[in-house]
Amino acid sequence: GAGVSQSPSNKVTEKGKDVELRCDPISGHTALYWYRQSLGQGLEFLIYFQGNSAPDKSGLPSDRFSAERTGGSVSTLTIQRTQQEDSAVYLCASSLETSGGGPRETQYFGPGTRLLVL
Amino acid sequence: AQTVTQSQPEMSVQEAETVTLSCTYDTSENNYYLFWYKQPPSRQMILVIRQEAYKQQNATENRFSVNFQKAAKSFSLKISDSQLGDTAMYFCALRSGAGNMLTFGGGTRLMVKP
Repeated sequence: GAGVSQSPSNKVTEKGKDVELRCDPISGHTALYWYRQSLGQGLEFLIYFQGNSAPDKSGLPSDRFSAERTGGSVSTLTIQRTQQEDSAVYLCASSLETSGGGPRETQYFGPGTRLLVL
Repeated sequence: AQTVTQSQPEMSVQEAETVTLSCTYDTSENNYYLFWYKQPPSRQMILVIRQEAYKQQNATENRFSVNFQKAAKSFSLKISDSQLGDTAMYFCALRSGAGNMLTFGGGTRLMVKP
């Protein structure tokens, strides 16, 4: 595709419910990243994938958060038992590579999913 | 740990004038990359400009240029001939050569006035 796409654009849920956020990276990009943007915390790294594996899960805020990537393409970020502090914009990015330096590592972002937990 | 600081939460500039956004960072790595991203109200983060730390020459992209001062760990963005479409949040970001995540500053909200 032309760029990174994310769905849904907006999601309103009730506290305690589970949500799934989807990211479609740019075709051919091997690396995929999830970030969270909230008023209190700014932009935070959550997790990244190289292919289907996630070498770095250090940014996931709790065990209620999980993510997977299948076929080296689409990724899903799942938040279980949502809390009000999970309300934020969740941004996905992709890049051609994750090593070697150069423009191939530049991350391109999707439009984000705005999550509101009531 | 690496940090990025943007000391100007908000700035404004008249259309056609020049504005400079500040960014300082801290990292123990020698090999790293610096970025400026623009985020308009649509939420889409758009790459503005990129700088490799090993390059002494400042990066330029049309009306956008940076002043990269490695010793001072400073990476400011200059926007020349400001346009109304430049109104957005601007984020400075750092990626170390040894890692994969971007570390972002808190952002500067830029308003271009007609």
